[in-house]
Amino acid sequence: DTGVSQDPRHKITKRGQNVTFRCDPISEHNRLYWYRQTLGQGPEFLTYFQNEAQLEKSRLLSNRFSAERPKGSFSTLEIQRTEQGDSAMYLCASSLALGNSYNEQFFGPGTRLTVL
Amino acid sequence: GDSVTQMEGPVTLSEEAFLTINCTYTATGYPSLFWYVQYPGEGLQLLLKATKADDKGSNKGFEATYRKETTSFHLEKGSVQVSDSAVYFCALERNQGGKLIFGQGTELSVKP
Repeated sequence: DTGVSQDPRHKITKRGQNVTFRCDPISEHNRLYWYRQTLGQGPEFLTYFQNEAQLEKSRLLSNRFSAERPKGSFSTLEIQRTEQGDSAMYLCASSLALGNSYNEQFFGPGTRLTVL
Repeated sequence: GDSVTQMEGPVTLSEEAFLTINCTYTATGYPSLFWYVQYPGEGLQLLLKATKADDKGSNKGFEATYRKETTSFHLEKGSVQVSDSAVYFCALERNQGGKLIFGQGTELSVKP
């Protein structure tokens, strides 16, 4: 399968614990995006990378959240001191950006986080 | 800031009925507009897109026209099937290759 993959698919944790999610983009894609989706809502943008550079972060991304893409391939999203309000589906997407042309974002299946 | 508003669901239709899901947007400049679909148990997939005013995006019998004068991008299909049952999301993007801003989604249920 050459699509975007995410691991784990489900995570249950207790309030106050740290969690880390991984995203593996489509191999030739240089852009990687993180979104968060709560029940009944559309995905909300969190952050995105071009290669290893983090180009934009949403105000939603509090200082408890950190994302990395150290070698410009896979990315990790860490949430420290989780809160019940962090419970959501965390989506990763990737795209191939070439100059100013439009580039489709391909989404992974998501990681569902439940904070007890 | 930029935003997308969709008609609320759920929308329930009989097979072969006509579908319209309304979408309006607020954005500066000239965004690109998209419809994404999420089938039960699956990830988001791009359904169609339009990158400039008056463009019509189409795919799998679905169509949407980018109307700048009404800031709208309504999704239509002439004859829905049970297999079209899914959640549909309207989205915009202002900077090519940048973040997507989604509406809240509209659930469609098609009954045989």
